[in-house]
Amino acid sequence: DGGITQSPKYLFRKEGQNVTLSCEQNLNHDAMYWYRQDPGQGLRLIYYSQIVNDFQKGDIAEGYSVSREKKESFPLTVTSAQKNPTAFYLCASSIVGGSEAFFGQGTRLTVV
Amino acid sequence: KQEVTQIPAALSVPEGENLVLNCSFTDSAIYNLQWFRQDPGKGLTSLLLIQSSQREQTSGRLNASLDKSSGRSTLYIAASQPGDSATYLCAGLTGGATNKLIFGTGTLLAVQP
Repeated sequence: DGGITQSPKYLFRKEGQNVTLSCEQNLNHDAMYWYRQDPGQGLRLIYYSQIVNDFQKGDIAEGYSVSREKKESFPLTVTSAQKNPTAFYLCASSIVGGSEAFFGQGTRLTVV
Repeated sequence: KQEVTQIPAALSVPEGENLVLNCSFTDSAIYNLQWFRQDPGKGLTSLLLIQSSQREQTSGRLNASLDKSSGRSTLYIAASQPGDSATYLCAGLTGGATNKLIFGTGTLLAVQP
């Protein structure tokens, strides 16, 4: 089945730790995105990539980093610089920027 | 800055009713518009995409329209069912170099059996 796979489904982070969220797609999409969702707020864009080895900051990139070494993969690292990382993280992809977007099932990150 | 408002924030209806969800943008320069469904604790499922050259799209009991002149979109759900209960999100693509989707905060729909 084609789709977007995010792992893990749940992730717990200790204070001061970096953690990496995985996002893999087998849809042959060029564009990939990371969003953060908090209760009562709309999705906010963290980073996006429209082509391999290139990515741009979204609206709330501080405390996050990404890489795009392969077309299929767009991992997100939540660094210790992110002071309020507890949230639901969603990865998406589209054929190109601006076409229909498809989402993974999300990773819920909790700071313990 | 583009902002998206969805009205109502929450809605409860009896099974079988037809209903309308609203979405409006502060900047009417929208390239395309996408409606999503989100079940609790889950990712987003794409429902309908209205591209820049279109005014509406239909899929089964769902119909979405876009009025670019006013920056408003509506999602019409016919003959609602308990399985339609979810949060519905609209997202507009404002185009330009970034091609980013801007999301509303959603409408929480409960369809009572």
